[in-house]
Parts: sequence; C-alpha cells; structure tokens
Amino acid sequence: VQLVQSGGGVVQPGRSLRLSCAASGFNFYTYAMHWVRQAPGKGLEWVALMSYDGSSKAYADSVKGRFTISRDNSEKTLYLQMNSLRAEDTAVYFCARVPVGFTSGWHDYWGQGSQVTVSS
Amino acid sequence: DIQMTQSPSSLSASVGDRVTFTCRASQGITTHLAWYQQKSGKVPKLLIYGASTLQSGVPSRFTGSGSGTDFTLTITSLQPEDVGTYYCQNYHSAPQTFGQGTRLEIK
Repeated sequence: VQLVQSGGGVVQPGRSLRLSCAASGFNFYTYAMHWVRQAPGKGLEWVALMSYDGSSKAYADSVKGRFTISRDNSEKTLYLQMNSLRAEDTAVYFCARVPVGFTSGWHDYWGQGSQVTVSS
Repeated sequence: DIQMTQSPSSLSASVGDRVTFTCRASQGITTHLAWYQQKSGKVPKLLIYGASTLQSGVPSRFTGSGSGTDFTLTITSLQPEDVGTYYCQNYHSAPQTFGQGTRLEIK
C-alpha cells in the first residue's frame, strides 16, 4: 500500500492550490479516503472525507465552503482543492485511508504529507 | 461536534515504567476511538482502533481500553523508541476530531 502526495507549495492569501494523493497497492475504488492536516508545532486536525464512490463527503467547519474533496477512481487519485486560502491554512496535509467497508473510521495508511504555506 | 480531551499534555517517564494516557470524549462514542503515535517530523502511525484492538505489527506492550466517553492507552513497559506524541481520534461521526495530543519523553 502506498499513498504518494503531490501539489504542495507556497501560495498568497486568497489564492488556490490543489493537492493530489496517488494510491497504489490496493483497490482504491473500494476505500473511503480522508485528509488530515497539522499546522506548525500543533496537533492533528481532521479536514475532510469522501466515501469510496464519492457519494458522501464531509468537511471540518474550518474549511467548509472553501475546500473541496474529490476522487478519480479510474486514476486511483484523491484530491483536495483549496480555495480562498488563509494564513491559518498553513500546515502539512496528509491523505489517509480508512479500512474497507467504512466511510468514517481509523486511518490505517497515510501519505507522506504535503507542505502548504500561505504567505504574502 | 464531539470534543476530545487528552491528559496529561506531557509526560516524562523512565524506561520500563508503565505509562497511561487518558482521552475523554464530550459525548458517547461507543468504542469508535483510535490511538496514533507520531514521532518528530514523521507521519502518524496507527496503534489501536476500536478502542482496544491492536493494529497489526504494533508491539503488545501497547494496550487500549474504554468505551463511551473515557478511554486509556497504556504502555506496559516503556521503551526508548516510544518517545513521541500520542493522539486519540473519534471516528463515531464527522468531524472525526483528534485530541490535542500527549507528548511523551524519557527521563
């Protein structure tokens, strides 16, 4: 099982960025996927989830209306579109898998993390 | 939203000690609780799910217990490689909130 992330970087406040999480080694289309972030020196914060088929989504209040989670099961890739970015969105973002058969659940595999820095 | 509160915020113990972390949920979450270990600069690692089920490959010195609102993670004999920060997470409902973490150091 591998989750390889890409797409992080430095962006100005108010701009957009998209993160990707490419999956391999398992049947991606049968697993729900989540995003979790960690601000510098802070704890873990759950961000968003998407069910295996994309029919169910949920977001943390802190990102609702600005971030969009999506997936392409044919490409085995999870995305996080981040719009109207704020300084407080600066964090390392992790994608994480939930065991098969669950939409909400524990995270058994994690991506390596993508640094997102929002600064002018 | 369900709030998760961990105590203590930090802990220092000696090798071989028995160490206990506590996590409290603001409302009942049955046994929908996971524990993670995060070493400095690393990706979080799943230790326990279902409040008490040990993830494959995790040493048996890690044990979890509890249900409803009160949960504990215990290391029965502390080892030097156990240094890091430990987080609990509710997955009873979204948002799947984390506790603020407990930082573990070796004396």
